[in-house]
Amino acid sequence: AQKVTQAQTEISVVEKEDVTLDCVYETRDTTYYLFWYKQPPSGELVFLIRRNSFDEQNEISGRYSWNFQKSTSSFNFTITASQVVDSAVYFCALSEDGTSGSRLTFGEGTQLTVNP
Amino acid sequence: EPEVTQTPSHQVTQMGQEVILRCVPISNHLYFYWYRQILGQKVEFLVSFYNNEISEKSEIFDDQFSVERPDGSNFTLKIRSTKLEDSAMYFCASSGRGGARNEQFFGPGTRLTVL
Repeated sequence: AQKVTQAQTEISVVEKEDVTLDCVYETRDTTYYLFWYKQPPSGELVFLIRRNSFDEQNEISGRYSWNFQKSTSSFNFTITASQVVDSAVYFCALSEDGTSGSRLTFGEGTQLTVNP
Repeated sequence: EPEVTQTPSHQVTQMGQEVILRCVPISNHLYFYWYRQILGQKVEFLVSFYNNEISEKSEIFDDQFSVERPDGSNFTLKIRSTKLEDSAMYFCASSGRGGARNEQFFGPGTRLTVL
């Protein structure tokens, strides 16, 4: 069975600080995909990134970066120089390959508050 | 840019009533999903749908739930007899192809309140 754990329930930082959101996953599959979604106060789910299990290269997109380590089953997300607009709930999610309609399993989410 | 739409944005109903939540997936997508998020909790998978039948469903998706693609554009979730614990945000999603590699595009959600 697949499982995603986001141990940090809430994080509060001051603007311009760097912040890392942790994500640990469990799966028996060798092929799987990891995702991060942002849920702003308005409630929609905004896709941020997808990473497959065979690609452990770190990725950077502007102020966002992701660190995927299979050895520790972690897929952590760092926001550099945080801004107030980054305040949201962030969800890590996992999908296992092999089925045609692959479900996403979400973590509990981390509420990030960036204070001015 | 194509997007998934959902109606209504907010639905209030009395316990025991039937509700139908509607979704219009992205037009060339073939795989459809419903997820649920109880207030303050994580997003949970309900069901996936492909080729006019359910591909996979979770333990949450019991006999009171059903899904349908009544025409070429809509995808609906029906709750036959709502309970207080059905109050949640319901998200529809679609993807162009199946398999874990394909991004699921989410709609804005329907907030269901059961009184």
